[in-house]
Amino acid sequence: SYVLTQPPSVSVAPGQTARITCGGNNIGSKSVHWYQQKPGQAPVLVVYDDSDRPSGIPERFSGSNSGNTATLTISRVEAGDEADYYCQVWDSSSDQGVFGGGTKLTVL
Amino acid sequence: EVQLVESGGGLVQPGGSLRLSCAASGFTFSSYWMSWVRQAPGKGLEWVANIKQDGSEKYYVDSVKGRFTISRDNAKNSLYLQMNSLRAEDTAVYYCARLERGSWYSNWGQGTLVTVSS
Repeated sequence: SYVLTQPPSVSVAPGQTARITCGGNNIGSKSVHWYQQKPGQAPVLVVYDDSDRPSGIPERFSGSNSGNTATLTISRVEAGDEADYYCQVWDSSSDQGVFGGGTKLTVL
Repeated sequence: EVQLVESGGGLVQPGGSLRLSCAASGFTFSSYWMSWVRQAPGKGLEWVANIKQDGSEKYYVDSVKGRFTISRDNAKNSLYLQMNSLRAEDTAVYYCARLERGSWYSNWGQGTLVTVSS
């Protein structure tokens, strides 16, 4: 089955830019989606189809996808962005959703 | 407003059974694929099962095949997960999620905790 690899943790100071990567074999050929999950809460979609944002998600959240790496970029990071972030693709060969292992974003 | 509300979780002994429910509102339930996604304590997200709009297609992660059954009742706007032969490794928060364009999970419920322990 398809495997997505994320760094376990990323740290960034407030106001700086955080970049969270998601690696997969030729992931650039797939649509990548990103979720934010705060402690004790359900996941929330923050980016879909590589770079689109659902309504209500700040423009500070953006995404890109090329080659073997997709990236979630959070600009002007705020304390409230501290959360776990998961990437996800749809594996059409097995008709299942595949999640990365998650990245804990710490705002210093 | 889209709402997904899970229920039915609880403590069950290994080998036991449990049925989860998800009540949907705020959208045309019968128009969407639906999924169950779980999260073991302190771990990441894991897709469990999907079901097509009319229930004619169902897919499962290998670890639950033959033990779990996903179903839906479009007249009641409800999604279900029948879990049999439960194991300790099935302990997790189970989320109901709406699948958008067969690709991403646009809306999630608040989750229901299933604990398998003697």
